[in-house]
Amino acid sequence: EAGVAQSPRYKIIEKRQSVAFWCNPISGHATLYWYQQILGQGPKLLIQFQNNGVVDDSQLPKDRFSAERLKGVDSTLKIQPAKLEDSAVYLCASSSAGTGGTDTQYFGPGTRLTVL
Amino acid sequence: AQSVAQPEDQVNVAEGNPLTVKCTYSVSGNPYLFWYVQYPNRGLQFLLKYITGDNLVKGSYGFEAEFNKSQTSFHLKKPSALVSDSALYFCAVRDNTGNQFYFGTGTSLTVIP
Repeated sequence: EAGVAQSPRYKIIEKRQSVAFWCNPISGHATLYWYQQILGQGPKLLIQFQNNGVVDDSQLPKDRFSAERLKGVDSTLKIQPAKLEDSAVYLCASSSAGTGGTDTQYFGPGTRLTVL
Repeated sequence: AQSVAQPEDQVNVAEGNPLTVKCTYSVSGNPYLFWYVQYPNRGLQFLLKYITGDNLVKGSYGFEAEFNKSQTSFHLKKPSALVSDSALYFCAVRDNTGNQFYFGTGTSLTVIP
């Protein structure tokens, strides 16, 4: 079974530029998550999708971050415009079950973003 | 508010010795508790989880964790450490009423040959 795929693996941009990350979850997984992991910290959940609907985006900085999962499969996370403090690893995860809290999340390798 | 604490940034243990990585939590309602491991330049890998039932949970690679409700802890353990266990370990919690998933700050485990 193929794992969660993410691209690109690395991205370097200057502040105020825009950037997009792509995630393809494990086949058949209904739930998709985006996390931000700043160096030295644990991952922070940004947004959770159930199929193509948003379940929780309470920690997503909506003035600059957006995410979509139009067909309920792959997803994109965008930052526009980027700030220095957005430098982090962006992790995508997926799980097979619906909401309820007990399902295991499987993580992709992440995209390391550096904002100069 | 929900939270997870990993009180030790760094744990060093000799190869062959037992290891413990500590985790305490604070949630409203019953907790769902998870352990993940992260190797350099790789995503998080699931080790084990506690949902309900037996307080001792066994997971991947010989790891186990004990849920202690009175101490609100979920410490990760392994009877005999391997050098290959050296990695960053994260504890995470979710309550059964919400969708948010909270990770601790991580504990770096070094197993010394």
